[in-house]
Amino acid sequence: QKEVEQNSGPLSVPEGAIASLNCTYSDRVSQSFFWYRQYSGKSPELIMSIYSNGDKEDGRFTAQLNKASQYVSLLIRDSQPSDSATYLCAVKGSSASKIIFGSGTRLSIRP
Amino acid sequence: NAGVTQTPKFRILKIGQSMTLQCAQDMNHNYMYWYRQDPGMGLKLIYYSVGAGITDKGEVPNGYNVSRSTTEDFPLRLELAAPSQTSVYFCAARGQGTYLNTEAFFGQGTRLTVV
Repeated sequence: QKEVEQNSGPLSVPEGAIASLNCTYSDRVSQSFFWYRQYSGKSPELIMSIYSNGDKEDGRFTAQLNKASQYVSLLIRDSQPSDSATYLCAVKGSSASKIIFGSGTRLSIRP
Repeated sequence: NAGVTQTPKFRILKIGQSMTLQCAQDMNHNYMYWYRQDPGMGLKLIYYSVGAGITDKGEVPNGYNVSRSTTEDFPLRLELAAPSQTSVYFCAARGQGTYLNTEAFFGQGTRLTVV
C-alpha cells in the first residue's frame, strides 16, 4: 500500500463549479497534511495546510481532514481556468521529519 | 529573498558520468529534502536532513548520496548516472517552527537527462 494515494485524474470541472480532490494516507499517526499546486514545468507551491480534524477555509479553498478515516480532501469553489494544474497531497508522518507526497491529481477547468 | 536555489537548471549526462546537484537555502531552515519527479508523477523522496551533519534515506535513495556540512547547503551526488535517473529533481527546505504544519519551500528544480 502506498503511503499517500491520490486519484491521478484528469479531473475535468466546468468553470464556476466546485472541484473536489481526495487523498488517503496509510500512517495512522501522521501529524500534518498539505496541498500543493504545481503548474506544468514549475515547482510545487503550498495551497493549504491542515493538522486538526474538520475543515479549514482560505478564500476559495477548503481543506478537510478526517484522521479516523485517514482521509484529506481539498475543495475549490468557483473554479477558474487558472486553477488548472496538478494538485499534490503531502503528509508529514510520525517521524516528524519526512514529508511524503502522493502521485498528484491533474485538474482541468473547462470554460 | 532567494529562498531555495538549485543549480544547474538543466543538465545532460552520459551513462556512467557523475555529477553533483547543488541546493542552497538562505532561510536558516533545519530540514532539507531532495525529491525526484518523473513525468506525470508525484514527488519521490530521495534523501532528507534534519540539520547539519545529519542525513537519512527517503523512499528512493539508491544511486544517490548526500552530505550536509552546513545549514545552508544540501548537495545531491549521482555517482554512476543511469537512464533511470532521468528526472526533475527538487530541493526543499522547511523550518522546525512551533507549529506542526510548517511549510516546505521548493527550489526551481533541476531537469536531468541521462543518455
